[in-house]
Amino acid sequence: AQKITQTQPGMFVQEKEAVTLDCTYDTSDQSYGLFWYKQPSSGEMIFLIYQGSYDEQNATEGRYSLNFQKARKSANLVISASQLGDSAMYFCAMREGRGTSYGKLTFGQGTILTVHP
Amino acid sequence: DTEVTQTPKHLVMGMTNKKSLKCEQHMGHRAMYWYKQKAKKPPELMFVYSYEKLSINESVPSRFSPECPNSSLLNLHLHALQPEDSALYLCASSSRLAPTYEQYFGPGTRLTVT
Repeated sequence: AQKITQTQPGMFVQEKEAVTLDCTYDTSDQSYGLFWYKQPSSGEMIFLIYQGSYDEQNATEGRYSLNFQKARKSANLVISASQLGDSAMYFCAMREGRGTSYGKLTFGQGTILTVHP
Repeated sequence: DTEVTQTPKHLVMGMTNKKSLKCEQHMGHRAMYWYKQKAKKPPELMFVYSYEKLSINESVPSRFSPECPNSSLLNLHLHALQPEDSALYLCASSSRLAPTYEQYFGPGTRLTVT
């Protein structure tokens, strides 16, 4: 069975600083995908960034980058130049395998990020 | 159009009521999902439809009844709910043609059972 662990229930960061949100995973599959989603208080889950298990380069999307360390089974999210609008819950999730026509996700418990002015 | 819409945004219902949640997408995605989310917890998968057929039912009580009448529409019929069913219900969709199988989520319906 696959498992996602986010050990930081809450994180605080000063505006314009960088912050790293931790995520470790456990799976026996060779093929899997790792996602980060942002959920503001409004409730909508917003896709931020994706890393495939066979991707050799760390994924980047604007101010978001994923520090992927496959041997350590970690996929930490780095947010550079934090903004007040980054305050939200952040979920790490994993999709295991590609043998189906859908992608079942396993979510971590989430990290609440608060950005201070 | 990369949008998943959900109606209603908020719903208050009594334990004897029957109501339905609606989810719609026009991205041509053939997989659609229902999740239940309690406050400050991760989403819990309830159902997955693939090509309009129910592929996963995560042992959800029968008072929740999903329906996928066509490839764009997903409904969740509610009947005789309990107060503990109060939660945010999220719909999502994805395409097997996308290399990431990324799921696009709707804004959710906040359900309160009284």
